Amino acid sequence: SQQGEEDPQALSIQEGENATMNCSYKTSINNLQWYRQNSGRGLVHLILIRSNEREKHSGRLRVTLDTSKKSSSLLITASRAADTASYFCATFPGAQKLVFGQGTRLTINP
Amino acid sequence: DTGVSQDPRHKITKRGQNVTFRCDPISEHNRLYWYRQTLGQGPEFLTYFQNEAQLEKSRLLSDRFSAERPKGSFSTLEIQRTEQGDSAMYLCASSSWTSGREQFFGPGTRLTVL
Repeated sequence: SQQGEEDPQALSIQEGENATMNCSYKTSINNLQWYRQNSGRGLVHLILIRSNEREKHSGRLRVTLDTSKKSSSLLITASRAADTASYFCATFPGAQKLVFGQGTRLTINP
Repeated sequence: DTGVSQDPRHKITKRGQNVTFRCDPISEHNRLYWYRQTLGQGPEFLTYFQNEAQLEKSRLLSDRFSAERPKGSFSTLEIQRTEQGDSAMYLCASSSWTSGREQFFGPGTRLTVL
């Protein structure tokens, strides 16, 4: 079963705009990770945020984590056509496996 | 390319046939994972190896599924008596102590059962 739920399921924006995706999860976690998947490159790790962190940045990515609400958000600033992909949050509840959400399909329109 | 590789990339088979997939992890990674992904869903965990030991199996891994990692390097996933419901993308990932909790994924094997 999948723990995370991403919102929205699909998002379409213009190039240059910011994209925000949200993820909710059910159980306690050690960390939460975001992955990107497109047909060309498969699943690629984007960023990891630990349970004791509230915000993390990497280039144009900003991730927040609210463990009290069991939620996280991924912000992509100044979007580009190459950002078109599906984005998944994945929790690491303590076992070795990742538990993925259903993903947000992001489309960047030129 | 020193990433995770999977073979074949695509497999079409008839219901009832057996299929075997191979995964070659990043060479220094001692942990290897198999996931299954169906259309429109996120990957679901199947099983996990640390070196050659299979340490965890999901309930999704029925007795028709078997995975091995005989020498702690490459791994194989076999599905016996395939069913149409087995049609999915099978993803392999690897990690190590130094890579932290990040898992590196291969391109996947897309299985279609007719």
